[in-house]
Amino acid sequence: ELKVEQNPLFLSMQEGKNYTIYCNYSTTSDRLYWYRQDPGKSLESLFVLLSNGAVKQEGRLMASLDTKARLSTLHITAAVHDLSATYFCAPMNDKIIFGKGTRLHILP
Amino acid sequence: GAVVSQHPSRVICKSGTSVKIECRSLDFQATTMFWYRQFPKKSLMLMATSNEGSKATYEQGVEKDKFLINHASLTLSTLTVTSAHPEDSSFYICSVIIADTGELFFGEGSRLTVL
Repeated sequence: ELKVEQNPLFLSMQEGKNYTIYCNYSTTSDRLYWYRQDPGKSLESLFVLLSNGAVKQEGRLMASLDTKARLSTLHITAAVHDLSATYFCAPMNDKIIFGKGTRLHILP
Repeated sequence: GAVVSQHPSRVICKSGTSVKIECRSLDFQATTMFWYRQFPKKSLMLMATSNEGSKATYEQGVEKDKFLINHASLTLSTLTVTSAHPEDSSFYICSVIIADTGELFFGEGSRLTVL
């Protein structure tokens, strides 16, 4: 059974700083998704990583995937307040299972 | 634009009644849709995988007789919460995978409150 461990679960940081969210999973996964969720809203797709070594970047966010280590990271560069949200990773084998989420609070 | 449309976005019902939530794929056909539920400040939990033209596959611990899923067409899946109770109050979200790109898109979600 696929298990997902995301850390940290809560992160408060200053604007302008860099930080990384980690996503470990327990079994072989075909692909991995990253999502953003704002309070009271549904999920917004950020990245889908389809192969080992995949790296994708959009603005201040960059995601990577190491299938051998069963690890994905979401790196935030020079954080801004608008990035405050909850971020979820979700690897997929025969189903898509979500991590517990990282609540990111960026202080202006 | 939106890829998946979900309706209603909010519903309040009395205990014991049934509520139907619709999930539509826009401009493409979806043979598979996923239903999740999310409690406040918690993660998403997969409830079931909805397959067009066949029975849904439910996750362990999800009552198939309580959460009825129908995927009668390639663009529509419905989730019916039968005999709803206050503990069924939650945020229900559907999703579909775009086969070409592997992207997984979510509907806007349906917030159910059972009084």
